[in-house]
Amino acid sequence: AQTVTQSQPEMSVQEAETVTLSCTYDTSESDYYLFWYKQPPSRQMILVIRQEAYKQQNATENRFSVNFQKAAKSFSLKISDSQLGDAAMYFCAYRGGANNLFFGTGTRLTVIP
Amino acid sequence: DAGVTQSPTHLIKTRGQQVTLRCSPKSGHDTVSWYQQALGQGPQFIFQYYEEEERQRGNFPDRFSGHQFPNYSSELNVNALLLGDSALYLCASSYRDRPTYEQYFGPGTRLTVT
Repeated sequence: AQTVTQSQPEMSVQEAETVTLSCTYDTSESDYYLFWYKQPPSRQMILVIRQEAYKQQNATENRFSVNFQKAAKSFSLKISDSQLGDAAMYFCAYRGGANNLFFGTGTRLTVIP
Repeated sequence: DAGVTQSPTHLIKTRGQQVTLRCSPKSGHDTVSWYQQALGQGPQFIFQYYEEEERQRGNFPDRFSGHQFPNYSSELNVNALLLGDSALYLCASSYRDRPTYEQYFGPGTRLTVT
């Protein structure tokens, strides 16, 4: 069974600084997708970034980038130039052939002005 | 372009009762998935509907059932409610033929069972 582990329940970052959120996963599948979702207090789950396992190049979306280490089954999210609006719960998620998402337990990110 | 919508926003029920939650997918999407998010946890997959049939199911009892209508909207039904069913219920829609099956989430329904 697929499992997703986020070992940092809470993280904080100064505004304009950089923070990295960690995620590891376990799977026996070779073809899969990894995602980072953001869930602000409004509860709406918002897709931040995705990574296809077959791609060696790390995905980047503006201030958000990932460090995908397939052999280590690691998928961390780096947020650069942190903004107050980045404060939220961040969930790492895995999707394999079953087409449903497996989520980690989340990391609460606080941005300090 | 309307996103995923869910109703109601909040709901309070008593143990043993039955509840129905509703979801309308994002325009152009044909697949609906339901997730349960307990307080302080990540969402857990309940089931997925495509072409009006349940295609996949997570580790949830038969008390959880669903339906998809011809317009792709969906309902989640929970019978014989338990206190442990209190959670945020999230609906996500996707377009099955897209390689990434990227799922877009609704704002959720907060269910409280007393």
